[in-house]
Amino acid sequence: GAGVSQTPSNKVTEKGKYVELRCDPISGHTALYWYRQSLGQGPEFLIYFQGTGAADDSGLPNDRFFAVRPEGSVSTLKIQRTERGDSAVYLCASSLQGAGTEAFFGQGTRLTVV
Amino acid sequence: GENVEQHPSTLSVQEGDSAVIKCTYSDSASNYFPWYKQELGKRPQLIIDIRSNVGEKKDQRIAVTLNKTAKHFSLHITETQPEDSAVYFCAASNSGYSTLTFGKGTMLLVSP
Repeated sequence: GAGVSQTPSNKVTEKGKYVELRCDPISGHTALYWYRQSLGQGPEFLIYFQGTGAADDSGLPNDRFFAVRPEGSVSTLKIQRTERGDSAVYLCASSLQGAGTEAFFGQGTRLTVV
Repeated sequence: GENVEQHPSTLSVQEGDSAVIKCTYSDSASNYFPWYKQELGKRPQLIIDIRSNVGEKKDQRIAVTLNKTAKHFSLHITETQPEDSAVYFCAASNSGYSTLTFGKGTMLLVSP
């Protein structure tokens, strides 16, 4: 596809369960970002990949959150032992080179923990 | 780390008026400042950006100004239209660190 694709678009899960959120970046984009957006707030940085490696994971709130990008394209954000406070829209973005280049966002995954 | 403050949180204008949204940043090393527009339930989309080597950039009805000394930048929308209604986010990044730090957003409402 032409844009950043995220699946699923919506996910409802029970407290304590494990979830995986997928991001398909724009083909050829080496940089990939995960953000979390709560209602009425700006996107909050979680993790940044340059190629296959996590160049900056300082935004991950705790060790329940983990992300991978094994082949430098698709990325998966994994959340263990979900809590109600994890409910938010999780946005993925990609950019051609990273620093100072336009970041294109996906539609997001709305995660609801009940 | 970088901290971006954005004001106002909400802004209501009449169609045809101008709208100005202001942001300040804390990291003097930041050198890339994009603005994103997010309509309800949709993804953020870049509308304009500016780099630290210029002070102003225009694109039709939209302009952005940057004051590096004061560490603030502003979005100016002229001749506003109802379809400009959305939430606008400013952001800042340092090319050496590659992450974008966003402001909390401004909800712009343009009334016909």
